[in-house]
Amino acid sequence: DAGVTQSPTHLIKTRGQQVTLRCSPKSGHDTVSWYQQALGQGPQFIFQYYEEEERQRGNFPDRFSGHQFPNYSSELNVNALLLGDSALYLCASSLAQGARSRESYGYTFGSGTRLTVV
Amino acid sequence: QKEVEQDPGPLSVPEGAIVSLNCTYSNSAFQYFMWYRQYSRKGPELLMYTYSSGNKEDGRFTAQVDKSSKYISLFIRDSQPSDSATYLCAMSGYGGATNKLIFGTGTLLAVQP
Repeated sequence: DAGVTQSPTHLIKTRGQQVTLRCSPKSGHDTVSWYQQALGQGPQFIFQYYEEEERQRGNFPDRFSGHQFPNYSSELNVNALLLGDSALYLCASSLAQGARSRESYGYTFGSGTRLTVV
Repeated sequence: QKEVEQDPGPLSVPEGAIVSLNCTYSNSAFQYFMWYRQYSRKGPELLMYTYSSGNKEDGRFTAQVDKSSKYISLFIRDSQPSDSATYLCAMSGYGGATNKLIFGTGTLLAVQP
């Protein structure tokens, strides 16, 4: 059973450029959330997509946008990259509705995309 | 003040020791409390979750939640070198699995053989 798949694994971009990160959720999951994890910090919530709509958003500027496709996969787009956007970007999938067993509860995280802005 | 506070460590213990990891929080709306383990260059992996107050045990791991004190703990018994990782506490409010998680900064644990 494939878990959460993220691509690419590593990326180097220049300030001012735009980047697109991709995520395929765990089989059976319908909700995708994105988190940013700076070095030495815990993940910070960016936004969450369910039924192809943004349902919740964290304290991130409009430069961060996303999309969810009918097959539940998702993209995170960041425009006008800043040096401070360098981080590990984590995708997490979950079930919007489900029994509260360990297997269905909460998020399954991917291994992330390491973005470096130079 | 951050919503969730966690001692970043690093914490170094000998193999077989009992490890205690802790987080405090300020938002009384938090209902779901989780501990994630994150190995280097990997995403977080769910270890334990607890709804509201109480204790929960799973093998060598015990999670405790004290909502009156806004304090949660993770205990690891008979620690192993394979337990060496960063441990993140995370919390969410109503909505459970579909609600956003608020993470601590993580505690880096090293178990020495």
